[in-house]
Amino acid sequence: DARVTQTPRHKVTEMGQEVTMRCQPILGHNTVFWYRQTMMQGLELLAYFRNRAPLDDSGMPKDRFSAEMPDATLATLKIQPSEPRDSAVYFCASGSPLENTEAFFGQGTRLTVV
Amino acid sequence: AQSVSQHNHHVILSEAASLELGCNYSYGGTVNLFWYVQYPGQHLQLLLKYFSGDPLVKGIKGFEAEFIKSKFSFNLRKPSVQWSDTAEYFCAARGAGNKLTFGGGTRVLVKP
Repeated sequence: DARVTQTPRHKVTEMGQEVTMRCQPILGHNTVFWYRQTMMQGLELLAYFRNRAPLDDSGMPKDRFSAEMPDATLATLKIQPSEPRDSAVYFCASGSPLENTEAFFGQGTRLTVV
Repeated sequence: AQSVSQHNHHVILSEAASLELGCNYSYGGTVNLFWYVQYPGQHLQLLLKYFSGDPLVKGIKGFEAEFIKSKFSFNLRKPSVQWSDTAEYFCAARGAGNKLTFGGGTRVLVKP
């Protein structure tokens, strides 16, 4: 059963600490999206990659956030240093290179920064 | 810039009532359109999608959506909702460059 896997599912950390969230896209998918979901802002696109290259990260605060794809099976989203306002659910989604297909979402990482 | 807007933030209705959620997009060129559903505490799941062809698209769980190009709309409908349809619904669009943009979501509460 192919699915997008995100780890950790939950993370509680203190302000100022580094947080790394990981995403394993579905095998063969070449597009990866990172979204942040909050009550106030809804679903915000932070960054997305195609064939491991970043296409758009304009939605990401550059001073503290970074997104990478070290290889085709792993995408990471890092926050350093974390702040309470970063508390949210972070979703990863992946998409196939085939036309007329949708993006599949992971279960999300619920981040709480205290 | 590409954008997606959903008309209603919250909808409350009773079981067996009909549901229609509005979605408008702002894109130039070819666009793919989607509706996703997020049940409480869960991730987003695809309800239906439109790429081309018949503008009336049928999805899972009795949902359908109609693509009206002249109105830049892709409204979601269900003739008779159930309590289990309580969820948040997101319209999304994908244009050139594969960027997938979501609307603000509509929270639907179905009262038993």
